[in-house]
Amino acid sequence: LAKTTQPISMDSYEGQEVNITCSHNNIATNDYITWYQQFPSQGPRFIIQGYKTKVTNEVASLFIPADRKSSTLSLPRVSLSDTAVYYCLVVGVTGGGNKLTFGTGTQLKVEL
Amino acid sequence: EPEVTQTPSHQVTQMGQEVILRCVPISNHLYFYWYRQILGQKVEFLVSFYNNEISEKSEIFDDQFSVERPDGSNFTLKIRSTKLEDSAMYFCASSRTGNSGNTIYFGEGSWLTVV
Repeated sequence: LAKTTQPISMDSYEGQEVNITCSHNNIATNDYITWYQQFPSQGPRFIIQGYKTKVTNEVASLFIPADRKSSTLSLPRVSLSDTAVYYCLVVGVTGGGNKLTFGTGTQLKVEL
Repeated sequence: EPEVTQTPSHQVTQMGQEVILRCVPISNHLYFYWYRQILGQKVEFLVSFYNNEISEKSEIFDDQFSVERPDGSNFTLKIRSTKLEDSAMYFCASSRTGNSGNTIYFGEGSWLTVV
């Protein structure tokens, strides 16, 4: 599985756009890039997933360049409630299903 | 939105006791997983389950652990002879298929405290 590298922490203010970049140099052809959000004492919550170019949903956008060696999660107009840990994962198929390998993630802190 | 539900939300057990953590995966999902997160540490994969058998397990998932799908809706994790170091948040997850583009959804977790 491709190893991911992302910043340990980021700070932002309410109303700003936050971009978290993740590098995954060894991503394989069939791998997808997935981002999860986790609040303390809660389960990881799926945010967005993509394979290439740009994916957008109601909460975030995911930008993936042509070489797919990195990706950027974009959170528009963050609020205090977006303070959480954000995980970038490269998902491939192993055995009988997906096995997710979580890193330490990026701790995003949003202030007033 | 469909969700994975887990019970209990918190369990305290004495060292050496057996615990069963229960999960109801999303109804049309076929792949089921257990993960755990020790306080302050990473989320770790334990086991994946498909077609009524374990498809992959980690080094953590030794003979102390077992999983079962006793009926059409529940998925359980049994931990025998619990140890202090088993104290963690245990997350159940499910996905519709095992393909890399398929989303894995997590439950809110069961917090296990071994005393």
